[in-house]
Amino acid sequence: ETGVTQTPRHLVMGMTNKKSLKCEQHLGHNAMYWYKQSAKKPLELMFVYSLEERVENNSVPSRFSPECPNSSHLFLHLHTLQPEDSALYLCASSQATGYEQYFGPGTRLTVT
Amino acid sequence: QKEVEQNSGPLSVPEGAIASLNCTYSDRGSQSFFWYRQYSGKSPELIMSIYSNGDKEDGRFTAQLNKASQYVSLLIRDSQPSDSATYLCAVGRDDKIIFGKGTRLHILP
Repeated sequence: ETGVTQTPRHLVMGMTNKKSLKCEQHLGHNAMYWYKQSAKKPLELMFVYSLEERVENNSVPSRFSPECPNSSHLFLHLHTLQPEDSALYLCASSQATGYEQYFGPGTRLTVT
Repeated sequence: QKEVEQNSGPLSVPEGAIASLNCTYSDRGSQSFFWYRQYSGKSPELIMSIYSNGDKEDGRFTAQLNKASQYVSLLIRDSQPSDSATYLCAVGRDDKIIFGKGTRLHILP
């Protein structure tokens, strides 16, 4: 595997389900990010981790819960989501915060 | 005042012509500037980084930075239909990068 990988690529879940999105980076980077991109809307930064410490949380609802167990892995735990949470969820990594970011392929999430 | 501004487009350019994409930013202390390409339904892909005033060329792409005018642009020479995508400008200062909303580019065959 190279670059940034994300699983699953597609996810359909009900509003009462609990699921997790996984991101893994193979670039030796120290910073990782979660973004949300809704249809025809700009990227929304959700969370930033630097050296496994959360450094930014942009007023994201508590139904989204990030976890960064090490500098290569990032998770986004989802529970009791709403239909408006349906979007493309993108993970990115960079050498450090403020450096150029490299994106994974994204998880297309549909909440029914 | 929006921090990173881009015209949403669509910008239509004939095949073989030069496509010019523009971006302005509000933070005069910005230090790093990036252009990403995003195809519909895909994730953004980094195509250019620029850090100092002037031009930076990479193949058919040229990034131009003017810090005094707080302006960064991307030129695509010999535009191809495969260049049709949304182009995101991103601007960084210290440990923060802010993305613009993107410009949709359509190359007319």
